[in-house]
Amino acid sequence: AQSVTQLDSHVSVSEGTPVLLRCNYSSSYSPSLFWYVQHPNKGLQLLLKYTSAATLVKGINGFEAEFKKSETSFHLTKPSAHMSDAAEYFCVRSGSARQLTFGSGTQLTVLP
Amino acid sequence: DAGVTQSPTHLIKTRGQQVTLRCSPKSGHDTVSWYQQALGQGPQFIFQYYEEEERQRGNFPDRFSGHQFPNYSSELNVNALLLGDSALYLCASSLVGAKRADTQYFGPGTRLTVL
Repeated sequence: AQSVTQLDSHVSVSEGTPVLLRCNYSSSYSPSLFWYVQHPNKGLQLLLKYTSAATLVKGINGFEAEFKKSETSFHLTKPSAHMSDAAEYFCVRSGSARQLTFGSGTQLTVLP
Repeated sequence: DAGVTQSPTHLIKTRGQQVTLRCSPKSGHDTVSWYQQALGQGPQFIFQYYEEEERQRGNFPDRFSGHQFPNYSSELNVNALLLGDSALYLCASSLVGAKRADTQYFGPGTRLTVL
């Protein structure tokens, strides 16, 4: 079965320092991958998506992710964390039937 | 441009009751998917509706059923509620015919509590 694995359930960074949230996916012919963010008691907001056009994908709010086929990874990064980035982040893949498969999530805490 | 809307925001039911949740897709979208997000977990796919028919279904029992109307809005029905059905129910809309990786846009969710 197609799946995504988020390697860290919790990540804590200081404000102004880089953010790295790690995601690996099960090998597929051509996965479609997304990162979504969920703030407390809110729905899911799309940060960025990979659709094979470019391996480095830029998203909203300064986030970006790099698709590495050799490592089956799609890690999310941001150069400088802001307090408002504190939230739950989900790595997601789209299957052949367009249903989304979510990772277990990474809770990002940003310390002042 | 209206995004995905869901109603109600919160709902409290007792075991054995039935519930109906509603979703209106983003303007221009024709496909609605439903997801269940239990506390502390990632969302799980329930089913997807397109052209008023259920097209795909996840690993959920028949107690979960749905409907899509001609205006593309959708309902999720859950019968014989169990305590374990307590969750945030998310609706997502997308457009069939776009590239395979068509993006799904999510509504704010309905928080269902079963007592």
